[in-house]
Amino acid sequence: GDSVTQMEGPVTLSEEAFLTINCTYTATGYPSLFWYVQYPGEGLQLLLKATKADDKGSNKGFEATYRKETTSFHLEKGSVQVSDSAVYFCALSARAGTALIFGKGTTLSVSS
Amino acid sequence: DTEVTQTPKHLVMGMTNKKSLKCEQHMGHRAMYWYKQKAKKPPELMFVYSYEKLSINESVPSRFSPECPNSSLLNLHLHALQPEDSALYLCASSQETGQVGGYTFGSGTRLTVV
Repeated sequence: GDSVTQMEGPVTLSEEAFLTINCTYTATGYPSLFWYVQYPGEGLQLLLKATKADDKGSNKGFEATYRKETTSFHLEKGSVQVSDSAVYFCALSARAGTALIFGKGTTLSVSS
Repeated sequence: DTEVTQTPKHLVMGMTNKKSLKCEQHMGHRAMYWYKQKAKKPPELMFVYSYEKLSINESVPSRFSPECPNSSLLNLHLHALQPEDSALYLCASSQETGQVGGYTFGSGTRLTVV
């Protein structure tokens, strides 16, 4: 079945460090891919998305490129801030009639 | 309006109580979802409504009863819950199920069963 695999956390970085969170997926057809962020005590916010191969989603300095050849959608940010501390979920939407499928989430902790 | 609004934000209920969670969106989305999220875990799909009809029920116990009175509202009726049902309950909506455009989530109801 369809699935998403994320790198296990927690990820601990110093402010201004480079961030990569790996995400790979398994799906038939051409899924849409998403990154969601969840701050402590809050719901999920859409961070960025990509709907077809080679699309690059970007928002708030975060980027991810839909790589069909490697079935990956890795999240990157060039310089993280303390305020980026949160849990990040990679997710896919495989096709009509199905709901979002989430990875297990990666906790990011950024210290000053 | 680009939000999904969930009420209440927090709920404490006893195992014999009956309560309801509410979710509302005014984006014209025709698919609405209930997810359950335990601490440090990803959201787990519970129910999907498409055009106000239940289309997916992920083998959820009958003590959880969803209802979609109209295209903007989604309720989750709770009865005889167990302490292990304590979790964050998230509502989401999208234009269609499997929508490429994305899903909008509410901020959730944090439920504690005592």
